Amino acid sequence: AAGVIQSPRHLIKEKRETATLKCYPIPRHDTVYWYQQGPGQDPQFLISFYEKMQSDKGSIPDRFSAQQFSDYHSELNMSSLELGDSALYFCASSLGRGRIGELFFGEGSRLTVL
Amino acid sequence: AQTVTQSQPEMSVQDAETVTLSCTYDTSENNYYLFWYKQPPSRQMILVIRQEAYKQQNATENRFSVNFQKAAKSFSLKISDSQLGDTAMYFCAFTLYSGAGSYQLTFGKGTKLSVIP
Repeated sequence: AAGVIQSPRHLIKEKRETATLKCYPIPRHDTVYWYQQGPGQDPQFLISFYEKMQSDKGSIPDRFSAQQFSDYHSELNMSSLELGDSALYFCASSLGRGRIGELFFGEGSRLTVL
Repeated sequence: AQTVTQSQPEMSVQDAETVTLSCTYDTSENNYYLFWYKQPPSRQMILVIRQEAYKQQNATENRFSVNFQKAAKSFSLKISDSQLGDTAMYFCAFTLYSGAGSYQLTFGKGTKLSVIP
């Protein structure tokens, strides 16, 4: 079965650079979530989209932006990177009218900021 | 704001034995959902079990069951007949019912479970 695809899996950037993470949800899933997980930490909700519209916003820095495109894939853009942005970034997808809270997670994109 | 607390950072269990992971949460709302998600080493998180707060009956999924105590705001996970493949980080999670299309999850800090052969 198709899963959530994230790219790139690993990314190394310098401070103040820009990074873009991509997420391809499971086919027919219309909702995408982005989470940030620091080392040894619980995942923190950043932002979500439902039917290509921003749905909820969590602790996403102003330096970050995201969108969901017409094909339902999503991109997380991170600018002016800081050391503290080093983390595992998870994307998850779900069916908006499916089982509440049943999210399907990707394997994550590990960002290292030097 | 809702909070989820997991007081056991690490636990271990012998294979074939039973283990219980604890979770408490805090909310003033009445309509919500609770979850246990499993994150194996270097793998993605997957849903283990799900409980609707309006249901009194505890959810079960094969070897996994929960003890949901709504008044005490407690939601523990019991794993029976533990297997090596159960070794993972387990996150308790919470979401409010909103009627909207997306449901952000609030996670606890996780319990690292090791199954010992």
